[in-house]
Amino acid sequence: EIVLTQSPGTLSLSPAERATLSCRASQSVNSRYFAWYQQKAGQAPRLLIYGASTRATGIPDRFSGSGSGTDFTLTISRLEPEDFAVYYCQQYGSSPYTFGQGTKLEIK
Amino acid sequence: EVQLLESGGGLVQPGGSLRLSCAASGFTFNIYGMTWVRQAPGKGLEWVSTTSGSGSSTVYADSVKGRFTISRDNSKKTLFLQMNSLRAEDTALYYCAKLSGYYTEEAFDIWGQGTLVTVSS
Repeated sequence: EIVLTQSPGTLSLSPAERATLSCRASQSVNSRYFAWYQQKAGQAPRLLIYGASTRATGIPDRFSGSGSGTDFTLTISRLEPEDFAVYYCQQYGSSPYTFGQGTKLEIK
Repeated sequence: EVQLLESGGGLVQPGGSLRLSCAASGFTFNIYGMTWVRQAPGKGLEWVSTTSGSGSSTVYADSVKGRFTISRDNSKKTLFLQMNSLRAEDTALYYCAKLSGYYTEEAFDIWGQGTLVTVSS
């Protein structure tokens, strides 16, 4: 099983700041099968990024994904108030598909 | 508009069974894989099971293998999760989600709002 470890667990930033979220895999992941999701309180998750770097439909360009192998990054270039949420990374290329434990992005 | 509506959750005793349904609308159901993901109260996301567009290919998390069965009725645009031998640790909000392609190795691009399963005596 591929274990995904996200860091930091909680990130405290202010609107307009840049956010960098990390996800490290216990073994190499084909970047074609790597995604990031956003979950706001009381809501279902939403796909942000797939294939490690491709934005899903309707996702603003302030969100970007990068990385390969065992290290992946989600960057939010300039935080908007609606971006404060929990973010999960996921690999879906090797069963069992796994999620990271999440990074909570909170307002400072 | 693409929509997924889960149903079938509820309170069940340990060892009991439950069948979840997910009714899909707004897209061509049989050309997309579908999946179930659960979230225990206050916890993160846990992948449960995924099936391909035809239903011929299925994969399961080790924690549910042999107890849960994913299936789909493409004529009714409905996804199912049959859950047997339920345990307290199966208590969670169960989401169904559409995959971005036909096969099981695809991102989960549309999610329902979830149905709550509580396993307790």
